[in-house]
Amino acid sequence: SQQGEEDPQALSIQEGENATMNCSYKTSINNLQWYRQNSGRGLVHLILIRSNEREKHSGRLRVTLDTSKKSSSLLITASRAADTASYFCATRTASKLTFGTGTRLQVTL
Amino acid sequence: NAGVTQTPKFQVLKTGQSMTLQCAQDMNHEYMSWYRQDPGMGLRLIHYSVGAGITDQGEVPNGYNVSRSTTEDFPLRLLSAAPSQTSVYFCASSYEGQGARYTFGSGTRLTVV
Repeated sequence: SQQGEEDPQALSIQEGENATMNCSYKTSINNLQWYRQNSGRGLVHLILIRSNEREKHSGRLRVTLDTSKKSSSLLITASRAADTASYFCATRTASKLTFGTGTRLQVTL
Repeated sequence: NAGVTQTPKFQVLKTGQSMTLQCAQDMNHEYMSWYRQDPGMGLRLIHYSVGAGITDQGEVPNGYNVSRSTTEDFPLRLLSAAPSQTSVYFCASSYEGQGARYTFGSGTRLTVV
């Protein structure tokens, strides 16, 4: 079974609104990473948070990590139509990177 | 351009045929992995390697074989294709460091009929 589960599976918002996606995982991790995938394309790395960090920012992205609850959240502020994509969390344990099921984000004008 | 190169981009196979999906990276990354992506399933790890000569199984290894004879290349072999192996396959690579991100190829879309 996959390491991570994401919630919601799909999210539709209007441009300018914030989007929040959640990820839960099962085992201890070294770090947690978020990736974006545009339709039919490869995955692009967005941000990485280490297991000893609680929050991290990068531009319009904010990631939190709660290792006691084995959960993470990704916040995209002031969303744009170009943010429309699927977003995946991925957990790094030793030499493996394991993905969640993803959240499909639709940003409308 | 530096990165992960996958070939072919598209492939149609008949049930029972074998083939090799190629993956090459020019970033001198130690770690390489193969994933398959099916609708609603996210990416599932097939096999991975932590260096030349070292490979290990992921979540869904059955029906696939890998080898890592060089740092640059990590081919994925389908031994006897089945319709259940219809999927999009992604190769990825990373440095060994725990803070390292993965770089993905653009994928191979495989259809088994």
